[in-house]
Amino acid sequence: EAQVTQNPRYLITVTGKKLTVTCSQNMNHEYMSWYRQDPGLGLRQIYYSMNVEVTDKGDVPEGYKVSRKEKRNFPLILESPSPNQTSLYFCASSPDQETQYFGPGTRLLVL
Amino acid sequence: GENVEQHPSTLSVQEGDSAVIKCTYSDSASNYFPWYKQELGKGPQLIIDIRSNVGEKKDQRIAVTLNKTAKHFSLHITETQPEDSAVYFCAAVLSGYSTLTFGKGTMLLVSP
Repeated sequence: EAQVTQNPRYLITVTGKKLTVTCSQNMNHEYMSWYRQDPGLGLRQIYYSMNVEVTDKGDVPEGYKVSRKEKRNFPLILESPSPNQTSLYFCASSPDQETQYFGPGTRLLVL
Repeated sequence: GENVEQHPSTLSVQEGDSAVIKCTYSDSASNYFPWYKQELGKGPQLIIDIRSNVGEKKDQRIAVTLNKTAKHFSLHITETQPEDSAVYFCAAVLSGYSTLTFGKGTMLLVSP
């Protein structure tokens, strides 16, 4: 089944404790992105990647890191999480930078 | 950069009624306009899209219209059903040159 998977689905952590949210797609898509969704703000892009080893900042990159060492994986790293990073996070992949295939989401709470 | 405004933020209709959600965009160069549906607890899913060389596109009960001059596009859902209840997002992009910019979303509630 073609899909984007994210892990974990739910995460509670404390301020400053490094965490990684994994994302994997099995559709051989070149493009991958991370979004955060907040009430009243919609979907905002954090980072995107156009191919292996090629990443770029989206609209809200502060406090986040990404890497793209393999085509299928695009982890999101929060080196020192803060409460304002409490959010619902979505990974997405795309064959053409247009149609986005979203994962199921990761709900993060930073205390 | 692109800015997408979406209205209304919430919309309640009775089953069988029509629903219309409107979006405006700022960058006249944008040429691809998708609509996504997000059901509770799930990621957004593409339901319909339109390109700038087309004025209207229809797929069963849903349709999208585009007015390039006014820089706005709309989602039309006819004969709404309770399973249409979800959050709907519009987006705009200049294909090949930028990434999608999303509207803030519309929560549609269809009452039986």
